[in-house]
Amino acid sequence: AQKVTQAQTEISVVEKEDVTLDCVYETRDTTYYLFWYKQPPSGELVFLIRRNSFDEQNEISGRYSWNFQKSTSSFNFTITASQVVDSAVYFCALSEEGGFGNEKLTFGTGTRLTIIP
Amino acid sequence: GAGVSQSPRYKVAKRGQDVALRCDPISGHVSLFWYQQALGQGPEFLTYFQNEAQLDKSGLPSDRFFAERPEGSVSTLKIQRTQQEDSAVYLCASSHISNTEAFFGQGTRLTVV
Repeated sequence: AQKVTQAQTEISVVEKEDVTLDCVYETRDTTYYLFWYKQPPSGELVFLIRRNSFDEQNEISGRYSWNFQKSTSSFNFTITASQVVDSAVYFCALSEEGGFGNEKLTFGTGTRLTIIP
Repeated sequence: GAGVSQSPRYKVAKRGQDVALRCDPISGHVSLFWYQQALGQGPEFLTYFQNEAQLDKSGLPSDRFFAERPEGSVSTLKIQRTQQEDSAVYLCASSHISNTEAFFGQGTRLTVV
């Protein structure tokens, strides 16, 4: 069975600080996809990134960066120079092998990030 | 519309009542997904459609839950004889094809009293 663990339930940092959200996953599949989503108070899930299991390159997009380490089954997310608008619940998710990457996501329980002005 | 639209946004149902939740995906999106999100938890997969075909319904918690997408566009999630444990936010998502980004709606918050 697949599992995603986000051990940090809540994090608060002062604006402009860097913050890292942890994600650890379990799967028996050799091919899988990892995701990060942001859920603001309005409720919709906003897609941030998808990474397949064969691509371990770290990725940077503006103030966001992701560190994928297969050896530790982790896919951590760092926000640099945090802003108040980054306040939200962030979910890490994993999809099963056999699909094309979206069909059945297993989500973690989320990390509520609060940026203090 | 520009995004995935779900209606109603909020629904209060008496225990035992039947409810129907609607999802209007982004026009032209082939894939459609339903998820259930309990308070303080991550979303949990319910079911997946490709066009009108329901390819995976393994996440539906009981036979009281039924989803359809008869014309491959709008989808309805129906819950019969609602129970308190059905209280949750029901999220719908769509994607152009399976291997592209899925866009989520704002969800329907169902409260069973």
